[in-house]
Amino acid sequence: DTGVSQDPRHKITKRGQNVTFRCDPISEHNRLYWYRQTLGQGPEFLTYFQNEAQLEKSRLLSDRFSAERPKGSFSTLEIQRTEQGDSAMYLCASSAGQGGQPQHFGDGTRLSIL
Amino acid sequence: GESVGLHLPTLSVQEGDNSIINCAYSNSASDYFIWYKQESGKGPQFIIDIRSNMDKRQGQRVTVLLNKTVKHLSLQIAATQPGDSAVYFCAENIQGNTPLVFGKGTRLSVIA
Repeated sequence: DTGVSQDPRHKITKRGQNVTFRCDPISEHNRLYWYRQTLGQGPEFLTYFQNEAQLEKSRLLSDRFSAERPKGSFSTLEIQRTEQGDSAMYLCASSAGQGGQPQHFGDGTRLSIL
Repeated sequence: GESVGLHLPTLSVQEGDNSIINCAYSNSASDYFIWYKQESGKGPQFIIDIRSNMDKRQGQRVTVLLNKTVKHLSLQIAATQPGDSAVYFCAENIQGNTPLVFGKGTRLSVIA
């Protein structure tokens, strides 16, 4: 399968713990995006990279959230000191980065905070 | 798996009928639009896209119509099948390079 891959698919943790998610984009895609989705809503943008450079962060991305894409390939999203409100589906998408190319999504990581 | 969109607008159609899902987009500067299909427990799946220099684009069993005057997008699915049951989202961005802004989803339920 050469699509976007996310790991883990599900994460259950206690409030206050740190969690890290991984995204492997489609191999030739230089843009990588993170979104968050809660029940009944469409995905909301968090941050994105072109190669290893983080180009934009949403105001939704508090200082407890950090994302990296160190070699311009896979990316990690870390949430420190998790809170109940962090419970959501975290989606990763990638695109070729050229004008008018669609973003392709992975199946997400479902985070549940106890 | 978990349900996506528990309280979304729902469109129920008979198997074999055509479906039309509508979307109003927000940014006049948006020039690239995508329809996604999302099944329970999965990420959004690309269906079809359209650029603002077009008003219609056809794929396999799907057609997207764009009306820039009223900022309206629609997705038509021909001969709807049970496998089409899912939540459908429209999304917009600028030149295909900026983060996507998603519209409110619509749950399509196909009655066999």
